[in-house]
Amino acid sequence: EAQVTQNPRYLITVTGKKLTVTCSQNMNHEYMSWYRQDPGLGLRQIYYSMNVEVTDKGDVPEGYKVSRKEKRNFPLILESPSPNQTSLYFCASSYRDGGGYTFGSGTRLTVV
Amino acid sequence: AQTVTQSQPEMSVQEAETVTLSCTYDTSENNYYLFWYKQPPSRQMILVIRQEAYKQQNATENRFSVNFQKAAKSFSLKISDSQLGDTAMYFCAFMKGFTGANSKLTFGKGITLSVRP
Repeated sequence: EAQVTQNPRYLITVTGKKLTVTCSQNMNHEYMSWYRQDPGLGLRQIYYSMNVEVTDKGDVPEGYKVSRKEKRNFPLILESPSPNQTSLYFCASSYRDGGGYTFGSGTRLTVV
Repeated sequence: AQTVTQSQPEMSVQEAETVTLSCTYDTSENNYYLFWYKQPPSRQMILVIRQEAYKQQNATENRFSVNFQKAAKSFSLKISDSQLGDTAMYFCAFMKGFTGANSKLTFGKGITLSVRP
């Protein structure tokens, strides 16, 4: 089944404790992105990648890191999480043809 | 920069009736794509329908259709024969045509649709 797999689905952590949210897709998509969803703000792009070893900032990159060492994986790293990073996070992937992104199931992150 | 506006935060419709969700956008691009995504309580983001800006014909997917007015920069979603399973938040989204640059989706703030039995 074609899908984007994110883990974990839920995570509660403390301020300053490094964490990684994993994302993997099995569709050989070139484009991958991370979004965060906050009430009243819709979804905003954090980082994106156009291919292996090619990443760049989106609209809200502060406090996040990403890497794209393999085409299928695009982890999101929070080196020192803070409470304002409490949010719902989505990984998504796409071909280059404007077909629309396929989204993962989301990760609900709470930083206390 | 592109912006997407969904001015109605909430709507309600009776089961089996038709409802239209509004969306407007602002862009200087000529080549782009528009989408409607559905987010049910399970929070999964599900692609409902897609429209290519260079196509004049409105996209249709079963009970879902759009009214794409390029000159007015309007992209509304019509849901016919509404079902209880249509209860969800709906997001309108914009994407520039692929140019090798950031192919991000720009989302509106969403509208919560409730289908009443």
